[in-house]
Amino acid sequence: GAVVSQHPSWVICKSGTSVKIECRSLDFQATTMFWYRQFPKQSLMLMATSNEGSKATYEQGVEKDKFLINHASLTLSTLTVTSAHPEDSSFYICSAGPGQGSNQPQHFGDGTRLSIL
Amino acid sequence: QKEVEQDPGPLSVPEGAIVSLNCTYSNSAFQYFMWYRQYSRKGPELLMYTYSSGNKEDGRFTAQVDKSSKYISLFIRDSQPSDSATYLCAMSAWNNNDMRFGAGTRLTVKP
Repeated sequence: GAVVSQHPSWVICKSGTSVKIECRSLDFQATTMFWYRQFPKQSLMLMATSNEGSKATYEQGVEKDKFLINHASLTLSTLTVTSAHPEDSSFYICSAGPGQGSNQPQHFGDGTRLSIL
Repeated sequence: QKEVEQDPGPLSVPEGAIVSLNCTYSNSAFQYFMWYRQYSRKGPELLMYTYSSGNKEDGRFTAQVDKSSKYISLFIRDSQPSDSATYLCAMSAWNNNDMRFGAGTRLTVKP
């Protein structure tokens, strides 16, 4: 069964609104979670690394004020797309692996399809 | 040169064929190698996970790692239409904080 749960799976909203996406690790505690963005027929693009109890680490070119990440517990990280615009429409996927700096592979959520009208 | 190279395909095979998917890489520090399967509009699902060189088999799937050539493969035997998906290779040097992904190969298995 799924070890990482992501919610919602699909959201449509108007331009200018903020959207929150949740990512939960179900079977293990995740000190670190990862947020990716994926465009159609393209590979995963790492946006940021979410660290429990501290600030997220953003990849170059990703606006941290646009994509707010909160990792308040060892099983939950959230990504909030603030003041979303049509260009933010994409497929957002989170992942987590057991342990900080573990050599165990990441497990992915089922993704969130975000459509901004 | 990208750290991980993967032919995006698309690759189309008849049902029952043996499928070979490959990735090459440039970073000799990589020692953990993964294959993920991603269906349309879903997150990637971990298929195979190997450490260092060698083979690993799981049902119809076999993963091979050749660190001397910096080359990894995934073989699918007796392919089924349900295997139609995008296959992503991934690798890391030290831990899951540092994974690098291939572009993904789109596979279609025709009945």
